Amino acid sequence: AQTVTQSQPEMSVQEAETVTLSCTYDTSESDYYLFWYKQPPSRQMILVIRQEAYKQQNATENRFSVNFQKAAKSFSLKISDSQLGDAAMYFCAYRRLQGAQKLVFGQGTRLTINP
Amino acid sequence: DSGVTQTPKHLITATGQRVTLRCSPRSGDLSVYWYQQSLDQGLQFLIQYYNGEERAKGNILERFSAQQFPDLHSELNLSSLELGDSALYFCASSPPSAGSNSPLHFGNGTRLTVT
Repeated sequence: AQTVTQSQPEMSVQEAETVTLSCTYDTSESDYYLFWYKQPPSRQMILVIRQEAYKQQNATENRFSVNFQKAAKSFSLKISDSQLGDAAMYFCAYRRLQGAQKLVFGQGTRLTINP
Repeated sequence: DSGVTQTPKHLITATGQRVTLRCSPRSGDLSVYWYQQSLDQGLQFLIQYYNGEERAKGNILERFSAQQFPDLHSELNLSSLELGDSALYFCASSPPSAGSNSPLHFGNGTRLTVT
């Protein structure tokens, strides 16, 4: 079974600075998808960014980018120019390419932005 | 707005009771997933339905059951409720294309409190 591990329960960063959230996963499959979701205090689950495992190029969405290291099974999220609105729980998630396409989530990292 | 509708938003009930949570997926989505999020925890996968059929099962208790109806809405039934069942229950949906990199789209959740 696939597992996702987020080793940082909490992180904090000064406003306007850059922060990186770590995620590792375990799978025997070669093709899959990886996602970062954000959960603000409202508890909504909001997609931040996604990465296809077959793509070598790291995904980028505005201030959010990932460092995808397939061999190391690592998928970190970098937030540049942190803003107060970025404060949230961040969840890393894995999804198989075929078969049951549920998302397997990590335990989350709580990100605090200091003004 | 994700397009996934969950009702009710909040439920308060007593131990031993039974409740039903309802989910309407996004238009065109055939898959529905149910997740449980206990306080400050990650999301635990419960069950997935695809076009009315059970597709995958996670750590769902025997006291819990679900179904997906012909109009594709889904219901999660929780019975003999215990204090530990208090959690946020999310429904998510995804498009019908197998292998799609479309993410799961989440509803706003139902907050269940068992007293």
